[in-house]
Amino acid sequence: QKEVEQDPGPLSVPEGAIVSLNCTYSNSAFQYFMWYRQYSRKGPELLMYTYSSGNKEDGRFTAQVDKSSKYISLFIRDSQPSDSATYLCAMTLLQTGANNLFFGTGTRLTVIP
Amino acid sequence: NAGVTQTPKFRVLKTGQSMTLLCAQDMNHEYMYWYRQDPGMGLRLIHYSVGEGTTAKGEVPDGYNVSRLKKQNFLLGLESAAPSQTSVYFCASSWTSGRYGELFFGEGSRLTVL
Repeated sequence: QKEVEQDPGPLSVPEGAIVSLNCTYSNSAFQYFMWYRQYSRKGPELLMYTYSSGNKEDGRFTAQVDKSSKYISLFIRDSQPSDSATYLCAMTLLQTGANNLFFGTGTRLTVIP
Repeated sequence: NAGVTQTPKFRVLKTGQSMTLLCAQDMNHEYMYWYRQDPGMGLRLIHYSVGEGTTAKGEVPDGYNVSRLKKQNFLLGLESAAPSQTSVYFCASSWTSGRYGELFFGEGSRLTVL
């Protein structure tokens, strides 16, 4: 079983729709949760970062963590064609070390004008 | 404002050939990483470095070697390329360990091994 599971999609929505992207994980020790956005033929870039449970909002984006269910979500409101990208969830343990960042496989999103 | 730069961006190799991918960062980051990205597998850590002169193995290190002779550079070598090493390779760097989340990635190097 993978540490982090993410539906690969692809997901296609009309412009203005609300998008929900999700990941589940198996290791209850994960404490830091991130969403990266990767445009086609580019490297990933950090979009949102949360610590432990709860919600975090940044403009049209909301990251949600439910540690009891081992489930994280990214919501995109009023989706735009520029949001078309692959979204990768990532999470890490509460300990030092550069080798403990676990990525999901990514969900490919297309927002149709 | 270059950030993380990878060279070359594309390369085609024959089985058994060797090559080196170069990563350079201008942000004075201590930590540097090499990942490979394959369809359905996501990003997998090959090797990483926590400072100049240090390297360590990640999740999938076999068939690769790395060196960090200068703080700003991290080299990934393939001594004898195999078709299974066909992939997109990403270099990344960060200020601190991965638990703070912000890795800065390069644009990727696409390698095909025939």
